[in-house]
Amino acid sequence: NAGVTQTPKFQVLKTGQSMTLQCAQDMNHNSMYWYRQDPGMGLRLIYYSASEGTTDKGEVPNGYNVSRLNKREFSLRLESAAPSQTSVYFCATSDRGDEQYFGPGTRLTVT
Amino acid sequence: GQQLNQSPQSMFIQEGEDVSMNCTSSSIFNTWLWYKQDPGEGPVLLIALYKAGELTSNGRLTAQFGITRKDSFLNISASIPSDVGIYFCAGQLFKAAGNKLTFGGGTRVLVKP
Repeated sequence: NAGVTQTPKFQVLKTGQSMTLQCAQDMNHNSMYWYRQDPGMGLRLIYYSASEGTTDKGEVPNGYNVSRLNKREFSLRLESAAPSQTSVYFCATSDRGDEQYFGPGTRLTVT
Repeated sequence: GQQLNQSPQSMFIQEGEDVSMNCTSSSIFNTWLWYKQDPGEGPVLLIALYKAGELTSNGRLTAQFGITRKDSFLNISASIPSDVGIYFCAGQLFKAAGNKLTFGGGTRVLVKP
């Protein structure tokens, strides 16, 4: 029972490159979330999916797109990476929307 | 956006000490959560609070949901070295749109040299 898994763990991109961050959960939770964590800023919500088939913007959605592929998987795409997107990205899941459970994170550097 | 003010931003602990941290907001929250994050890891849920005035313990950790519903407190008793890390508060706003949490900026707990 892996809980929440994220791939890759680390990634270095050049400005303008694209990539997709993957998140999968085996907790049978309905809701999934993507956050970014920058030093001193806490966690900021990028996008979320309250249930399979729905996605909504969070606090900082610009420059990102998401896909809720099925109940288990929620991906985050950077179409044209910028240095400002250098951050640690966390996926989280929830059954009720309050208690959220986090994956181990993807550390992304954009040069 | 909505902010949670978490204090202190950092603190030093000595083994055996009791420590406290808190989280405040100008808005009312339905739920308060406390997470701990170790270096290189994702946040781990420690305690969840659902009612104003609620006091909940998890081992040496005790958290309270403030009666105004605008604040929460976390206490760690008898600190040990593995308590080092970053502690985040998070809350779900009253009448929030969507199932979203707001996070504080974190309290970094370090060991006294």
